[in-house]
Amino acid sequence: GAVVSQHPSRVICKSGTSVKIECRSLDFQATTMFWYRQFPKQSLMLMATSNEGSKATYEQGVEKDKFLINHASLTLSTLTVTSAHPEDSSFYICSARAGGTGRRLGYTFGSGTRLTVV
Amino acid sequence: QQQVKQSPQSLIVQKGGISIINCAYENTAFDYFPWYQQFPGKGPALLIAIRPDVSEKKEGRFTISFNKSAKQFSLHIMDSQPGDSATYFCAASMSDYKLSFGAGTTVTVRA
Repeated sequence: GAVVSQHPSRVICKSGTSVKIECRSLDFQATTMFWYRQFPKQSLMLMATSNEGSKATYEQGVEKDKFLINHASLTLSTLTVTSAHPEDSSFYICSARAGGTGRRLGYTFGSGTRLTVV
Repeated sequence: QQQVKQSPQSLIVQKGGISIINCAYENTAFDYFPWYQQFPGKGPALLIAIRPDVSEKKEGRFTISFNKSAKQFSLHIMDSQPGDSATYFCAASMSDYKLSFGAGTTVTVRA
């Protein structure tokens, strides 16, 4: 089955620094990747959609200059939280969808990254 | 506003019992309805999914019932086991675009 690897699983950083989270599709090419944020005991909130080779589309209210997304290849998307502050502490999850025509493969999620900003 | 409304927020069921989670949607353009299972500290994992051209889909102990006219779909977990204790999310999407998630249901199975 489709596998998405997300790294790191946990990261603690100091306020004001930047953190990069990687999302890789291991056995399929992901033309589209999605980045979510999840607060404790809440649902997943879509932050942005990224398509390989083009700029990401951000959801309303998400600061694109703070959450930089790069989807440089068909197997890798990165989310960089710039100048992180304690309020950015959250659980970040990526999801990938395979491209191509024919039978849809659905959406595969990574295992998530717990970001703590101190 | 949430495009998919999910209930209940939480439920407790005895081992061997049936867990039922309900979802409702408004957008008739939705054409893909998956259910995800999430354990604490992990990403969601696809449990089962259905498309609007069928009214029911069963995979093992998990069944989706879909009512297109009522714009509702539900997940039934038969013979619930302690290992099923998790948070379940329904979702919907149209034409392979982004997923809209329900608020989630925390299921606790008591042994």
